[in-house]
Amino acid sequence: AQSVAQPEDQVNVAEGNPLTVKCTYSVSGNPYLFWYVQYPNRGLQFLLKYITGDNLVKGSYGFEAEFNKSQTSFHLKKPSALVSDSALYFCAVRDGDTGRRALTFGSGTRLQVQP
Amino acid sequence: DTEVTQTPKHLVMGMTNKKSLKCEQHMGHRAMYWYKQKAKKPPELMFVYSYEKLSINESVPSRFSPECPNSSLLNLHLHALQPEDSALYLCASSQGLAGDSYEQYFGPGTRLTVT
Repeated sequence: AQSVAQPEDQVNVAEGNPLTVKCTYSVSGNPYLFWYVQYPNRGLQFLLKYITGDNLVKGSYGFEAEFNKSQTSFHLKKPSALVSDSALYFCAVRDGDTGRRALTFGSGTRLQVQP
Repeated sequence: DTEVTQTPKHLVMGMTNKKSLKCEQHMGHRAMYWYKQKAKKPPELMFVYSYEKLSINESVPSRFSPECPNSSLLNLHLHALQPEDSALYLCASSQGLAGDSYEQYFGPGTRLTVT
């Protein structure tokens, strides 16, 4: 079985401050991990992914994420938040070895960046 | 071109109507997906096509009928829907087969209202 948890429904941060959106996962095999962002009334946009290799992954719009195998986490980070980063963020996982061949999404975290 | 297009943007239909949602991509992707998304919730996978063959059906009611006429097009035929089927319907595509390491590209969605 595969699952992903986003423990925070909402994260509030001031513009210019660093932001972190948390994600933990559970898979039987090797995890394929993804972050997507969704703006109101839009589809999801791919931000970044971890498949293998360097634990620090850099993605679009200045976002990065750190894969931590011992803590089964894949937190999304950005050094300096922008008001335009305000959106709904989804973490997703797929078991790269066994199990479902489709993505499982977390429940989503709403990021609110205040000016 | 990294765009997935969906038509129509909005659709209102009665419970006795028959309508279709359309999705198109020209990225040469061989896997295409239908998701259903309720407000403030993660996308729920409905169907997956790999190389134009249905590979995953997430026990979706038969009032939803997918079709993949060719590698660029994906349709979702709707018949005798219920009000609880009102949602944002998202189409996505990815390289290769579903279940691999490739990210999915999402269309903007069709906002469906069943009256």
